Amino acid sequence: KAGVTQTPRYLIKTRGQQVTLSCSPISGHRSVSWYQQTPGQGLQFLFEYFSETQRNKGNFPGRFSGRQFSNSRSEMNVSTLELGDSALYLCASSLAEVGKLFFGSGTQLSVL
Amino acid sequence: KNEVEQSPQNLTAQEGEFITINCSYSVGISALHWLQQHPGGGIVSLFMLSSGKKKHGRLIATINIQEKHSSLHITASHPRDSAVYICAALPVNNNDMRFGAGTRLTVKP
Repeated sequence: KAGVTQTPRYLIKTRGQQVTLSCSPISGHRSVSWYQQTPGQGLQFLFEYFSETQRNKGNFPGRFSGRQFSNSRSEMNVSTLELGDSALYLCASSLAEVGKLFFGSGTQLSVL
Repeated sequence: KNEVEQSPQNLTAQEGEFITINCSYSVGISALHWLQQHPGGGIVSLFMLSSGKKKHGRLIATINIQEKHSSLHITASHPRDSAVYICAALPVNNNDMRFGAGTRLTVKP
């Protein structure tokens, strides 16, 4: 069974641009959650989707958004990029609403 | 004050030693996760628990809901156990996961 796939693996953008990251969960998993990891703040929860519905959102500005498609694949979008958005963005999928998490390898975003 | 506190922040051990990493949280939770992150970023979920104790190989995780405390134990530690270990609390009625700052474990041969 394929694991959680995140694309792209690395991304370089400039301030003011927008970016879209993709996450394909393990087949059959309906929950997808997104996290931001930085050296200063550690891991922080961004949002979580279950069956195409956003169930929870972390404490991030509205520039951070996401969605989930009917095949459970998810995308997150960051608009008007700032230098502080440079981070490793991780997604995880799980079978149930509360279940063991399976993480992707992450997308390393650098904002210049 | 962080809602999830881990200790110690850094831990160096000799191969074969028994390791304990602690996690205290202040929110009511529906589950607590222990995660392992190796250099390069990949995160592996070790345990998800809401009560009692779980064991997998040389790893043991315990949780005391009343005391809002969880521990991760590694028996017969090995250099390949070197990683950052992170506990994450899932609050009741909310999937806004709260993370500890992580414990960096180095096991020397």
